[in-house]
Amino acid sequence: DAGVIQSPRHEVTEMGQEVTLRCKPISGHDYLFWYRQTMMRGLELLIYFNNNVPIDDSGMPEDRFSAKMPNASFSTLKIQPSEPRDSAVYFCASSTPTGLGNTIYFGEGSWLTVV
Amino acid sequence: QKEVEQDPGPLSVPEGAIVSLNCTYSNSAFQYFMWYRQYSRKGPELLMYTYSSGNKEDGRFTAQVDKSSKYISLFIRDSQPSDSATYLCASRYNQGGKLIFGQGTELSVKP
Repeated sequence: DAGVIQSPRHEVTEMGQEVTLRCKPISGHDYLFWYRQTMMRGLELLIYFNNNVPIDDSGMPEDRFSAKMPNASFSTLKIQPSEPRDSAVYFCASSTPTGLGNTIYFGEGSWLTVV
Repeated sequence: QKEVEQDPGPLSVPEGAIVSLNCTYSNSAFQYFMWYRQYSRKGPELLMYTYSSGNKEDGRFTAQVDKSSKYISLFIRDSQPSDSATYLCASRYNQGGKLIFGQGTELSVKP
């Protein structure tokens, strides 16, 4: 089975540009999570969805960040305008509430560098 | 204060050593506790999962949760170079809810 699929895997962009990260969760999973990982702050939850509805976006750093889930098989995380401090690895993850020991499956990550 | 605290290390041990990784958490409402392993340039993958207090063993790995002291532990017996990775503890309130991670401990097992 395909896991969580993220794109792009790597992105280098200039400050001020719009960045869109994409995620396809595992089919049948009804929870989708966006995490950000940096050396300084570790793995932080930005937002999560249940059945395509945003449940908790308290981790979204500021208005420059937005996330959508238009259907069960696709989600985007957008940063506009991007800043150098947004450089990080962005992970998408999905799960079912009672799936295999509450397993949350992570994608390979999108490595973002803003210069 | 972060809800889940973990010493980032790094931790370096010789092959065959017993490794002890630890976390503390602050919210007594946490019910589910996990350990994730993350290899370099990869996403985290679930290693162990426990519900409430107690021990769970899986091969060379043992996870322990002590809710009275809000302490989470992972023990690795007969450590191997292939165990070299970052280990992240995580907790959540309920099934399906958000998962809060510790900082992660970088482990290196030397041959």
